[in-house]
Amino acid sequence: NAGVTQTPKFQVLKTGQSMTLQCAQDMNHEYMSWYRQDPGMGLRLIHYSVGAGITDQGEVPNGYNVSRSTTEDFPLRLLSAAPSQTSVYFCASRGANGNEQFFGPGTRLTVL
Amino acid sequence: QQQVKQSPQSLIVQKGGIPIINCAYENTAFDYFPWYQQFPGKGPALLIAIRPDVSEKKEGRFTISFNKSAKQFSLHIMDSQPGDSATYFCAARDSGGSNYKLTFGKGTLLTVNP
Repeated sequence: NAGVTQTPKFQVLKTGQSMTLQCAQDMNHEYMSWYRQDPGMGLRLIHYSVGAGITDQGEVPNGYNVSRSTTEDFPLRLLSAAPSQTSVYFCASRGANGNEQFFGPGTRLTVL
Repeated sequence: QQQVKQSPQSLIVQKGGIPIINCAYENTAFDYFPWYQQFPGKGPALLIAIRPDVSEKKEGRFTISFNKSAKQFSLHIMDSQPGDSATYFCAARDSGGSNYKLTFGKGTLLTVNP
């Protein structure tokens, strides 16, 4: 099993550009989440999904969109990037009956 | 409102020392308390977890102590090693209505000097 995979590993954008961060898991997990990690702020939940076709907002959703058309994939879209979105982004997944949340390796995004 | 408060923000110990990281929570519905370990450039990974029906859990050199009445829990690392240098996050989850969400503390950067 590859676990949780994320692409790209690094990305530099200009203000106003759009992009999609990809996340996939091969563990057939129902729950998937996106977090951003900033120095001194810990891990903050952006959006989450409890199953295909079901998504909801987390703690810091503004400026981000998500969709969940399959169990495996949970992309995060930035429609118009802003410097405040410079961060490290982590995708995570967990089975509905499990406890452990598995994290991907992260995407480091810089918005100039 | 920060539901899980973690301290200290950073910690430096010598090899063999016993670093202690503390967390406090407010939501009495929380009933699962994991600790995650994160090395530079990597995603967090589950280290150890506890439920409130026990006061202590040990896995190797890592121990969680849990005080339900005080709504506090802590991570102790026995005989710490330079390889333990990492960022540690405590977290909490409500297995009821918000079963899908983990609430994280802000993290503690641990440095173990040789």
